[in-house]
Amino acid sequence: GAVVSQHPSWVICKSGTSVKIECRSLDFQATTMFWYRQFPKQSLMLMATSNEGSKATYEQGVEKDKFLINHASLTLSTLTVTSAHPEDSSFYICSAQPGGKVYEQYFGPGTRLTVT
Amino acid sequence: AQKVTQAQTEISVVEKEDVTLDCVYETRDTTYYLFWYKQPPSGELVFLIRRNSFDEQNEISGRYSWNFQKSTSSFNFTITASQVVDSAVYFCALSEAPGANSKLTFGKGITLSVRP
Repeated sequence: GAVVSQHPSWVICKSGTSVKIECRSLDFQATTMFWYRQFPKQSLMLMATSNEGSKATYEQGVEKDKFLINHASLTLSTLTVTSAHPEDSSFYICSAQPGGKVYEQYFGPGTRLTVT
Repeated sequence: AQKVTQAQTEISVVEKEDVTLDCVYETRDTTYYLFWYKQPPSGELVFLIRRNSFDEQNEISGRYSWNFQKSTSSFNFTITASQVVDSAVYFCALSEAPGANSKLTFGKGITLSVRP
């Protein structure tokens, strides 16, 4: 149980285009989902926290207009990187927190984004 | 503010050696959780352990053991008789303050290489 999927697993896009990454909790309902970014050989940095049905809370320094997060249902959150640039190339990882279990997070397999 | 320090960046050992990965944390809360994750080359985070601040008992799981010492704010991880498959990046993480959005703060990670 507690499986989180991400789609796509990798994507290459051209500079200036937008790309959407999906995060799904497959066998549980996630009231909260988190989005992390990981640059090569670096740690995971939290980008934003999203609660189902409400606006995401972004960490300091993360542009909310560039990284659009939608948590439309209890099993799906999406991250859209708008007008992507090469510096947005990174490994994006989501995690999902089951309702009522505030210290449990289940991580997706990650999405590798390359912007050319 | 919470902080996790993994002072070791890279460790290289020969198979069957024991290795300890250090983790020191900072938090103002009395209630918090500590985690260890493994990130193999595939990128997917593998959950290893979660320990709450009120449980200082050491834990052993197969070749893995954890030493939690509140007095020194440390949560160290030992792999006994290391194997090549243990080669990965290991992250220590901290989550403080109970609530709906318990954010994880990650250390910078330790790259462990186990040579045959």
